[in-house]
Amino acid sequence: DAGVIQSPRHEVTEMGQEVTLRCKPISGHDYLFWYRQTMMRGLELLIYFNNNVPIDDSGMPEDRFSAKMPNASFSTLKIQPSEPRDSAVYFCASSNRDANTGELFFGEGSRLTVL
Amino acid sequence: GNSVTQMEGPVTLSEEAFLTINCTYTATGYPSLFWYVQYPGEGLQLLLKATKADDKGSNKGFEATYRKETTSFHLEKGSVQVSDSAVYFCAPSPTFGTGTRLTIIP
Repeated sequence: DAGVIQSPRHEVTEMGQEVTLRCKPISGHDYLFWYRQTMMRGLELLIYFNNNVPIDDSGMPEDRFSAKMPNASFSTLKIQPSEPRDSAVYFCASSNRDANTGELFFGEGSRLTVL
Repeated sequence: GNSVTQMEGPVTLSEEAFLTINCTYTATGYPSLFWYVQYPGEGLQLLLKATKADDKGSNKGFEATYRKETTSFHLEKGSVQVSDSAVYFCAPSPTFGTGTRLTIIP
């Protein structure tokens, strides 16, 4: 199995630009999670989906952030407009069981730098 | 929702020392508990898990026991190696602790 695939691995952009991060979960997994990791705040859950439907988006920082899952094999996390404080590593994870019991399989992350 | 309090790092130990990383949680119901490990430049990967009270998860010499009475899931290893240097995360999934950076020196 290919595992969770994220792209891009690295993104450098300027403040105010739109950023789109992409994730392909493991085939057959019907839970998908987006996390943000920073030194100051650790690993924060932003949003998660079940069967392509957003279940909990309470961790999304503000309206500049949006996430979609148009089908079972693809999700995006968009930041518009981006700000320097958005610089972080963003991880996508998938699971074939519910959030309380299932092992999460993580991608390698997308490192975002906003100048 | 679930939350977790994890021992703050960084932790530096000599090779072959005994390791304990403390983790306590609050949770709705009785979720499974997990320890994940993150090596530099990589995503998290599962180290071990326990699915119910008094269960012990173990892997690669690491152990943790699901203690409902003390709401704890402390990670232990009897003799650490340099290759154990990484960041360790406790989780009543999908919430994670802040992570504990462990460095083992030869």
